[in-house]
Amino acid sequence: GAVVSQHPSWVICKSGTSVKIECRSLDFQATTMFWYRQFPKQSLMLMATSNEGSKATYEQGVEKDKFLINHASLTLSTLTVTSAHPEDSSFYICSARWAGADTQYFGPGTRLTVL
Amino acid sequence: QQQVKQSPQSLIVQKGGISIINCAYENTAFDYFPWYQQFPGKGPALLIAIRPDVSEKKEGRFTISFNKSAKQFSLHIMDSQPGDSATYFCAASIRGGSNYKLTFGKGTLLTVNP
Repeated sequence: GAVVSQHPSWVICKSGTSVKIECRSLDFQATTMFWYRQFPKQSLMLMATSNEGSKATYEQGVEKDKFLINHASLTLSTLTVTSAHPEDSSFYICSARWAGADTQYFGPGTRLTVL
Repeated sequence: QQQVKQSPQSLIVQKGGISIINCAYENTAFDYFPWYQQFPGKGPALLIAIRPDVSEKKEGRFTISFNKSAKQFSLHIMDSQPGDSATYFCAASIRGGSNYKLTFGKGTLLTVNP
C-alpha cells in the first residue's frame, strides 16, 4: 500500500520551454502533497506544500511563478516548471500523505535536464 | 539553521556488521521521527519511524533508539548486507503542525562491503 507514482521519470527539454511533472497517489487519497528538489549528493529541499483544492504554500526562496503547483484532486498534483533554464536541472520528487497520517510517502522522482 | 544534524556523512561497514547513524534535533516540538532509505536515482522509501513516547522501535534488522532528554535518535542496522548500501536520511516533524512538514538531515551514505 501507499504507492506514489511520478510521470515522467525523466525529461530533457530546451531552455525556455515549460515542463509538467505529474504526481499520483495510487491507492490512497492524498490530502496533502509535497514537492521536493534534490541536487546530487544532497538532502531533499522542500519547495512547496499543497492541500487538495487549495493554493500551494511555497517555501522561502522558491519562485511561485516559475514552479506552478496544482493539486486539483485527491490523487493528483502537478508541478510545472515554466521557462526552464539549465539551472533548473535537478531531481524533483513528490510525496503525499493522507488525512491523519504522520508519514509522507515518496514518489520515484523525475530527473529534469534543461539544455 | 539546520534543525536536524545527521552524522556521519558517510559510513563503510563490512558485511554482517552493525551500521549506526545518529541524528540530533533542536526543536523540542518535534514528535515524529522517520528514517528514509534512498537508492541512487530513486525516491526515498520509509524505513522505520518512531514517536517520542517510546525509547526504541525494532523492525527486522532495523532499530531506532530515541533519547528524548538528549534530543537524539539513531538508526541501527544489524547484520548489514551489501543490499543495504544506500543513502539514509533521518527526519523530524510536528504531528498536526504545518501540514506535517518534514525537516531532513543531510544524509549518510552507507557502503556495506561484501
